[in-house]
Amino acid sequence: GQQLNQSPQSMFIQEGEDVSMNCTSSSIFNTWLWYKQDPGEGPVLLIALYKAGELTSNGRLTAQFGITRKDSFLNISASIPSDVGIYFCAGQLRGSQGNLIFGKGTKLSVKP
Amino acid sequence: EAGVVQSPRYKIIEKKQPVAFWCNPISGHNTLYWYRQNLGQGPELLIRYENEEAVDDSQLPKDRFSAERLKGVDSTLKIQPAELGDSAVYLCASSLEWGAANTGELFFGEGSRLTVL
Repeated sequence: GQQLNQSPQSMFIQEGEDVSMNCTSSSIFNTWLWYKQDPGEGPVLLIALYKAGELTSNGRLTAQFGITRKDSFLNISASIPSDVGIYFCAGQLRGSQGNLIFGKGTKLSVKP
Repeated sequence: EAGVVQSPRYKIIEKKQPVAFWCNPISGHNTLYWYRQNLGQGPELLIRYENEEAVDDSQLPKDRFSAERLKGVDSTLKIQPAELGDSAVYLCASSLEWGAANTGELFFGEGSRLTVL
């Protein structure tokens, strides 16, 4: 099936550092979303992107919908310990109706 | 506003036993999804409902998995018989109907963690 390549797989950073992660695909997407999942919980939506080139912020989080519509990145500025978790990108393929494809996740660890 | 509610949170069964998971979506969300999340992986779609109609069940292993959403609200996912490889977290999600504003924004429940021994 269709795949999203999410990188990096994991990150270990110091509190206060900025973080960047991205997703790429060979397919074109209509929508990109970024989710965060804490242990034992379901994914929680962070940011949704609907147009190529769109740049959206949510507090310390910023995400962009790539101009080619085949990629997206998420930045977290000034990380804090509660940023720890697994971040997933998810995309809705052009021509599909309502189905999201998820990346494999980026596991973020923040050292106080 | 209540979120997506799932039960049970945890289930441990022996292989070949049946198991069922229940989901109550967010009020007003016509679309309901069941995803399976294996350890260290992202969620993978099993089935999507628009109201009571299963509009995409192409990834549902129909030999042992079944789902229903009889009145277009709550849904049940069943596995019978369970196999060792079915151990995973089963996530239910809901969203506004396709074509509505903010389409694609799924809201997930906490998941049902299944362990098959």
